[in-house]
Amino acid sequence: AQSVTQLGSHVSVSEGALVLLRCNYSSSVPPYLFWYVQYPNQGLQLLLKYTSAATLVKGINGFEAEFKKSETSFHLTKPSAHMSDAAEYFCAVILSNTGKLIFGQGTTLQVKP
Amino acid sequence: DTAVSQTPKYLVTQMGNDKSIKCEQNLGHDTMYWYKQDSKKFLKIMFSYNNKELIINETVPNRFSPKSPDKAHLNLHINSLELGDSAVYFCASSQTSGGYQETQYFGPGTRLLVL
Repeated sequence: AQSVTQLGSHVSVSEGALVLLRCNYSSSVPPYLFWYVQYPNQGLQLLLKYTSAATLVKGINGFEAEFKKSETSFHLTKPSAHMSDAAEYFCAVILSNTGKLIFGQGTTLQVKP
Repeated sequence: DTAVSQTPKYLVTQMGNDKSIKCEQNLGHDTMYWYKQDSKKFLKIMFSYNNKELIINETVPNRFSPKSPDKAHLNLHINSLELGDSAVYFCASSQTSGGYQETQYFGPGTRLLVL
């Protein structure tokens, strides 16, 4: 069965510091992976997705993620955190035969001034 | 020009009532979904429809019934509301003619509180 695990339910960084949000997946087939962001009291917005075209995926707002098959990871990074990045981040894998999105537990990113 | 819209945004109601949440997408997508986000922010799919045909029907109480009048609309009707139904319900849509792995676009959510 496919699944994702996000390590760390809460991550706190200083403004300007590197952001690293961890996601590991489990899949018996090549996975399609997503990162979504949820700002307070809002819906989910797609940050980026991996569809096997390239292992380094660039997304919106300066975020990127690298697919590492050997580590079964798809960690999200941003070189320099901004206050506006404070939000909930979700890693997800999709079942390509039904479209069922399976989400990780979410990571709350706090950015300190 | 909202892509995926939901009404109402907030819904406060008493236990035992019946309520509906409406979802509309103007992206021309052929598949729509309902997700539930609980108080711990965990997201789980409930249903999906492709061109008005039920594709995904997770283990959800039969008090929840989705209805898709056309491919641009997917409504969620909930009978006999219970305290545990309090959550945020998200609608999403995607274009799956190229496969179900396509990106899903989410609505703003409906915050349901059952008293």
